[in-house]
Parts: sequence; structure tokens; C-alpha cells
Amino acid sequence: DAGVIQSPRHEVTEMGQEVTLRCKPISGHDYLFWYRQTMMRGLELLIYFNNNVPIDDSGMPEDRFSAKMPNASFSTLKIQPSEPRDSAVYFCASSSHPGQGVYEQYFGPGTRLTVT
Amino acid sequence: AQSVAQPEDQVNVAEGNPLTVKCTYSVSGNPYLFWYVQYPNRGLQFLLKYITGDNLVKGSYGFEAEFNKSQTSFHLKKPSALVSDSALYFCAVRDRGYQKVTFGTGTKLQVIP
Repeated sequence: DAGVIQSPRHEVTEMGQEVTLRCKPISGHDYLFWYRQTMMRGLELLIYFNNNVPIDDSGMPEDRFSAKMPNASFSTLKIQPSEPRDSAVYFCASSSHPGQGVYEQYFGPGTRLTVT
Repeated sequence: AQSVAQPEDQVNVAEGNPLTVKCTYSVSGNPYLFWYVQYPNRGLQFLLKYITGDNLVKGSYGFEAEFNKSQTSFHLKKPSALVSDSALYFCAVRDRGYQKVTFGTGTKLQVIP
């Protein structure tokens, strides 16, 4: 398996623009997580899905952030409008059910977002 | 509620010496515990986990960790450090009843040649 795939790897945009980050989880995994990592706040869980359904979005910072998972192999995280304080590395991770012997999460390489 | 504490921001160790990276946790129930490593400009990479059974768990690259229920600790260890072990290490905990994982703030390990 290719692992978790994220695109783009780097994104530079101007304040006020819409940003869309993409993630393809590992095939067969039914949990998908979006995290944000900054020096100040460390690694924060933004939202996670189970079987394409959002389960917990309490970490989404504000209404400017939205996430979707239209099918089992694709998810997006959208920021509209973007602000400089959104600059961070955004990670996607996937996992499966303990009944399938998978307890840990597998992370993608991340998208480094810079908002100027 | 669940939480993880990594009391050291940075650990320095000489190459060839044993290393320990500390982690304590708090959960309401029985925990699943994890260690991840992050190299510069990379995603987190799974190292090892404690689920149940033997308190000493072995993982990738010669790392191991000891689960201590009475001290609520899960310290990461390696008998002989390599320069290539230099990275950022994260401890994580998950209550067995939930899928949400809480990560620590990370400990930067510096192995000095």
C-alpha cells in the first residue's frame, strides 16, 4: 500500500483565498483524522470521520474550516477565507477498527500551508 | 478526559549510551498507549504500542517501552542510541472506549556523536 497520500505538499496563498487540502487514506481503513501542527500549539485534532461520517469536529477552530469525506478513499479540508494564523502543517491520518487488529494511526506526509 | 505529559522538551544523549524519553498519562479507563517518531519535514511514524499483556513492548528500530500502571507511565527506551535516532518523539494515549487519540507535546531527542 502507498500509505496515506496528501496533496499538495506545500501551499502558499494570500489571505482571503480559499484553500483545499486533500487526503487519500489507506485502503480498508474506516477512520480518517485531520490534524494541525504548529510550534505554539503542537499537534491538534481538528476532526475525524468513521465510515465517511464526521464523528467529532470539536477541534475545528471556526466556521472558516470545513471537512468532507464523500467516499471511503477521499477527504478534503477547506479553509475559506484563509488567514495568516492558519499557517501550519496539516496532517491526515487513517486507522482501522481494533477488531481488525489495527490500533494505531498512520499519518500522511502533511501539507505545509503558508498564508501571507 | 484523557491527557499525556512529556515532561522534557529535549533529551540529549551520547551515541552508544542508553536513552529514555519519559511519558505519563491519564485516562478514565484502561489505556491504549503509543509512541510515534517524527523526522524533519515528515509525518508521524508509528513506533510501538501497548494494548494488553506484557508490560514491556518492543517496536521498530530497537525501541521498547515499559507500561507501568501504578505510575501511569509509558517511558520509551533504547539500549544504545544512534545519531540517526535524533528526531521528535510523541507519546499518545487512547481510552479503549474511544477512537480519539491525545498526543503529548513531543520530546526532541538529540544524539550526540
